[in-house]
Amino acid sequence: NAGVTQTPKFRVLKTGQSMTLLCAQDMNHEYMYWYRQDPGMGLRLIHYSVGEGTTAKGEVPDGYNVSRLKKQNFLLGLESAAPSQTSVYFCASSQVHYGYTFGSGTRLTVV
Amino acid sequence: DAKTTQPPSMDCAEGRAANLPCNHSTISGNEYVYWYRQIHSQGPQYIIHGLKNNETNEMASLIITEDRKSSTLILPHATLRDTAVYYCIVRISSSGNTPLVFGKGTRLSVIA
Repeated sequence: NAGVTQTPKFRVLKTGQSMTLLCAQDMNHEYMYWYRQDPGMGLRLIHYSVGEGTTAKGEVPDGYNVSRLKKQNFLLGLESAAPSQTSVYFCASSQVHYGYTFGSGTRLTVV
Repeated sequence: DAKTTQPPSMDCAEGRAANLPCNHSTISGNEYVYWYRQIHSQGPQYIIHGLKNNETNEMASLIITEDRKSSTLILPHATLRDTAVYYCIVRISSSGNTPLVFGKGTRLSVIA
């Protein structure tokens, strides 16, 4: 039982490049979330999903898009990366609204 | 969701109880108190949650005051591995979707 798996774990992008971060969970959870964490800060919610085919904006959605085509996967896309998007990205899933299971994070640097 | 206030940092001697306070004076009657922690560079980990009664599990105890305006997370015998940032979050737990909102938390340092 892997829980929540994020790929890649590290990535360096040039400004303007695009990429997709993948989050996969094997717990059959309905809800999935993407957060970002900047140095010395708490986590901020980017987007979330309450079920397959549904997504919603969180606190800091600008510059990101998401898709939840399959229940077990939640993709986070950066269409044109900017240095301000340098951060650690965490994915989480939950079946109810407590007991979130988080992934180990993706460390993204945009130069 | 009600806003929470936590001290930015605390120290605790190894083997002693760590008591982490959280103020949530604007909490509503149907809002729960949740605690998560984040060990350096890892994803946050759920610890415990409660509504009004005190709660205990294998990781910690949660003490909520009678007026529910504050709570304390207790790690009974802190170890070096408990060094982490601890987040107190207040939110409604219902069938509707209200994602967790993290503040800056309390950085607990367990000292040998």
